[in-house]
Amino acid sequence: NAGVMQNPRHLVRRRGQEARLRCSPMKGHSHVYWYRQLPEEGLKFMVYLQKENIIDESGMPKERFSAEFPKEGPSILRIQQVVRGDSAAYFCASSPNGGNEQFFGPGTRLTVL
Amino acid sequence: GENVEQHPSTLSVQEGDSAVIKCTYSDSASNYFPWYKQELGKRPQLIIDIRSNVGEKKDQRIAVTLNKTAKHFSLHITETQPEDSAVYFCAARAGGTSYGKLTFGQGTILTVHP
Repeated sequence: NAGVMQNPRHLVRRRGQEARLRCSPMKGHSHVYWYRQLPEEGLKFMVYLQKENIIDESGMPKERFSAEFPKEGPSILRIQQVVRGDSAAYFCASSPNGGNEQFFGPGTRLTVL
Repeated sequence: GENVEQHPSTLSVQEGDSAVIKCTYSDSASNYFPWYKQELGKRPQLIIDIRSNVGEKKDQRIAVTLNKTAKHFSLHITETQPEDSAVYFCAARAGGTSYGKLTFGQGTILTVHP
């Protein structure tokens, strides 16, 4: 039973480029959370999605960031026109029912040059 | 919204000693409090959790206590070992939601010296 998968594990982008981060939840899980971890800080909630629906995006910056979780395929976190301040580790977590249990993926470490 | 404060930011102990990490939260409606261990460059891993209807929970060398009145909860690790060295995060699930949106503390870097 594979755990939560994220790819790429490391992503380097230049300022102004786009970053696309993918998260494949555990088998049978239809709920995904995205968190951002800045260097030497705790994780900050960004967005909570169920299949084809954004339930809570209160932690997402209003501009340049978007997320989706299509009926088929992984959840995608998209960052347009990246800036240096976007450099961070982005973790997704999946849940079978959106409740307390969350299983984290290995994270994508984004570096913006 | 929920705010979680965690102390200390760094903790250094000798192998075999106990370690205690404390967190406070602001939302009295929060009802679930997990603790995560994160090794360098790795994913956060759930090590223990407690729900608001329980005051204490223990799992081998790890225990968590919750004081709802004071809105604080603590992680206790006994007989520490070098492999316990990691960053530990507390978190609280926001009350008033039906899903598990977590607010994390800032983390505690625990170093266990052999």
